[in-house]
Amino acid sequence: AQSVTQPDIHITVSEGASLELRCNYSYGATPYLFWYVQSPGQGLQLLLKYFSGDTLVQGIKGFEAEFKRSQSSFNLRKPSVHWSDAAEYFCAVGRMDSSYKLIFGSGTRLLVRP
Amino acid sequence: SQTIHQWPATLVQPVGSPLSLECTVEGTSNPNLYWYRQAAGRGLQLLFYSVGIGQISSEVPQNLSASRPQDRQFILSSKKLLLSDSGFYLCAWSPQGARAEQYFGPGTRLTVT
Repeated sequence: AQSVTQPDIHITVSEGASLELRCNYSYGATPYLFWYVQSPGQGLQLLLKYFSGDTLVQGIKGFEAEFKRSQSSFNLRKPSVHWSDAAEYFCAVGRMDSSYKLIFGSGTRLLVRP
Repeated sequence: SQTIHQWPATLVQPVGSPLSLECTVEGTSNPNLYWYRQAAGRGLQLLFYSVGIGQISSEVPQNLSASRPQDRQFILSSKKLLLSDSGFYLCAWSPQGARAEQYFGPGTRLTVT
């Protein structure tokens, strides 16, 4: 069955440090992948998406993600974290049985130390 | 540009009372529409989706229902709320067609007491 795994429930980084959030998926074909961010009490905001082509995807707020087919991964990165990046991050993959439905990971909560 | 609205923002309801949450989308036509529930500390669970007026598909059995009376309006309802219905309800839309990203509304926090 399709699944999305975000192995880290919480991650704490210092402001200005680099960030990498992990996402692994299971999918039987070429996936389409997303990263969303959710601030407390808010809806989800789309950070970036991968459908095909260049495996390094640039998103908003200085985030990028790299699709690695051999590792079934789509990790999110940012070179220098700002305090305002503290939030919950969700990875999602499009479902094989219905192209307009997504499967979400359980999320990674990012805490930023001043 | 497209915007998505949800109301109310917060709601406290007693067990056994009815529920109606509304979602509307502006700036697009014939969107796919979705209702999700997010329990505290957990991920998103897809409840319903709709690809057109009057077309509703349910993902999980429950005491909730959904309706789409207009192209850009999606309503989540219940006749009698349960304690387990508490959570954060998110509406989302996506453009018609395959492989489309979803855009989320601000959410409704529902507490059933």
